Amino acid sequence: NAGVMQNPRHLVRRRGQEARLRCSPMKGHSHVYWYRQLPEEGLKFMVYLQKENIIDESGMPKERFSAEFPKEGPSILRIQQVVRGDSAAYFCASSQYRDMNTEAFFGQGTRLTVV
Amino acid sequence: AQSVTQLDSQVPVFEEAPVELRCNYSSSVSVYLFWYVQYPNQGLQLLLKYLSGSTLVESINGFEAEFNKSQTSFHLRKPSVHISDTAEYFCAVSEGGNDMRFGAGTRLTVKP
Repeated sequence: NAGVMQNPRHLVRRRGQEARLRCSPMKGHSHVYWYRQLPEEGLKFMVYLQKENIIDESGMPKERFSAEFPKEGPSILRIQQVVRGDSAAYFCASSQYRDMNTEAFFGQGTRLTVV
Repeated sequence: AQSVTQLDSQVPVFEEAPVELRCNYSSSVSVYLFWYVQYPNQGLQLLLKYLSGSTLVESINGFEAEFNKSQTSFHLRKPSVHISDTAEYFCAVSEGGNDMRFGAGTRLTVKP
């Protein structure tokens, strides 16, 4: 059973381009969470999705950021018109149940660099 | 809303020395507490967690953490560290549900 898979591991984008980050949860997990880690800061919650539904997006910036978790395929975090401040590590986690107090498994992260 | 403070950004220690990584949290309700470890070039892995019951929780590789409600702390300790313990350690708190708050992390470096 493979762990949470994120790709790409590293992504470089020029200002104004779009960034797409992918997350494949562990087999049997239908709950996905995205976190962002800015330099020298802890992980900050962005969005929680269940298959085909956004459950909580209270941590998502109001503009340029969107997330989806389609019925088939990985969860996608999309950042449009990237700016330098979007440079960060983006982590995805998945869990079998809604309550994160059961163990949530994290991917290795995608490190986005905006130049 | 809950928040987490990890007081030390970096902790260098020599092999076989004891170590304590400090974590304090703030919350107005009951919380669940976690320590995650991130080895170089890997994702976060759950090290241990406190949900209820005994305030002292242990991991399989010798770490332990004690929930202290009066001091709102959940410090991580190990009596004798190994080179292989070199990693970044994150404390996290949850009030239940889907929003887990993380501290900024403590980079533990074990030197020979």
